[in-house]
Amino acid sequence: EADIYQTPRYLVIGTGKKITLECSQTMGHDKMYWYQQDPGMELHLIHYSYGVNSTEKGDLSSESTVSRIRTEHFPLTLESARPSHTSQYLCASRGGTAEQYFGPGTRLTVT
Amino acid sequence: AQSVTQPDIHITVSEGASLELRCNYSYGATPYLFWYVQSPGQGLQLLLKYFSGDTLVQGIKGFEAEFKRSQSSFNLRKPSVHWSDAAEYFCAVGADSSASKIIFGSGTRLSIRP
Repeated sequence: EADIYQTPRYLVIGTGKKITLECSQTMGHDKMYWYQQDPGMELHLIHYSYGVNSTEKGDLSSESTVSRIRTEHFPLTLESARPSHTSQYLCASRGGTAEQYFGPGTRLTVT
Repeated sequence: AQSVTQPDIHITVSEGASLELRCNYSYGATPYLFWYVQSPGQGLQLLLKYFSGDTLVQGIKGFEAEFKRSQSSFNLRKPSVHWSDAAEYFCAVGADSSASKIIFGSGTRLSIRP
């Protein structure tokens, strides 16, 4: 069983606020990912990282940014939240095999 | 480019009935295939995966899937569903064992009729 954590689980915040969604994994995985998922819809990759100091943009354009200073930590930041950012954000990690392990997600609502 | 199609958006089956969820992929070589399940408000849990070898793979919770290269399919099956199986199911494909990215299908929502 994978150990990957996301905080907060739920967040309601006003427009214009800066937010950081936290993601941590205890498995020592090099590769980590952020997906955006609207309710009942598919997952869209927005950021990924191959390791420390490596970050790449995903397939879906996003106004968020990420950093990877430590192997276990991959936070996602929105400098100025907007209602269009309302969604669920899922973090995942991957070790030596191809499958990805997912955290429980953060459901973000911007009012 | 890789792609995954799940043609059924929503399926309802009776408890105890058999289940088959369809998945078709597009990729030139042998893909790495996955099925994930997502309960409401939760992350995704890996049900099973196919990399090579036996084309019928067994997963957790009594699920199995069969890789059919000729049909570019990787359908998920369960002989008898339980009410707790109600969830969203995602098929996914990666290009190779070192693939950093996985492409997900749009998902199939499974409802269970009592």
